[in-house]
Amino acid sequence: QLQLHESGPGLVKPSETLSLTCTVSGASINSRNYYWGWIRQPPGKGLEWIGSIYYSGSPHYNPSLKSRVTMSMDTSKNQVSLKLSSVTAADTAVYYCAADRTVQLWLFDPWGQGTQVTVSS
Amino acid sequence: EIVMTQSPATLSVSPGERATLSCRASQSVGTNLAWYQQKPGQAPRLLIYGASTRATGIPARFSGSGSGTEFTLAISSLQSEDFALYHCQQYNNWPPLTFGGGTKVEIK
Repeated sequence: QLQLHESGPGLVKPSETLSLTCTVSGASINSRNYYWGWIRQPPGKGLEWIGSIYYSGSPHYNPSLKSRVTMSMDTSKNQVSLKLSSVTAADTAVYYCAADRTVQLWLFDPWGQGTQVTVSS
Repeated sequence: EIVMTQSPATLSVSPGERATLSCRASQSVGTNLAWYQQKPGQAPRLLIYGASTRATGIPARFSGSGSGTEFTLAISSLQSEDFALYHCQQYNNWPPLTFGGGTKVEIK
């Protein structure tokens, strides 16, 4: 059974870099069957796609965040990572990682439970 | 960027009644439209993709319809577990993939 679990600091200071990890179990992140996506949900707002990464090729990023986002993969730990630089209060959100099956791209299922990140001094 | 607009923001429905949720795209997305359900404190779950295809394990009381710019999610007879937040997502034109603001279905 495919499962995802996000982890990382719950509090980040303004102007610093947010770093999160998504640990995947039940599938290899090197699998041709999956992209891996990051999506966030600011308090009281809708979902925002941050980006998606595949085992080959370059990640795809939301243009609105592209200058600040880096996604990477650590195959030895079966983890996908997200870094978001120069954070502000607007980056406060629940951050989710999710699987995206290549047989039906750009749909997210399943999702991790999410991790709350607050940007505050 | 395609903007997705969901209405209403909140829908009050009695158990056993039918609920109809709307999602509008700022330009045509064909049938590349998905719906997700999110219960309080939980992650979203894929309900519908291709505008009308139920995801694995989704009950038949959930149905999706529409194409182009207008889409509908119908829940034929609301059960207690269906009171939740519903999101639509387009995946026709990207980046970026975009979601609507959500519709909360609450108990009347």
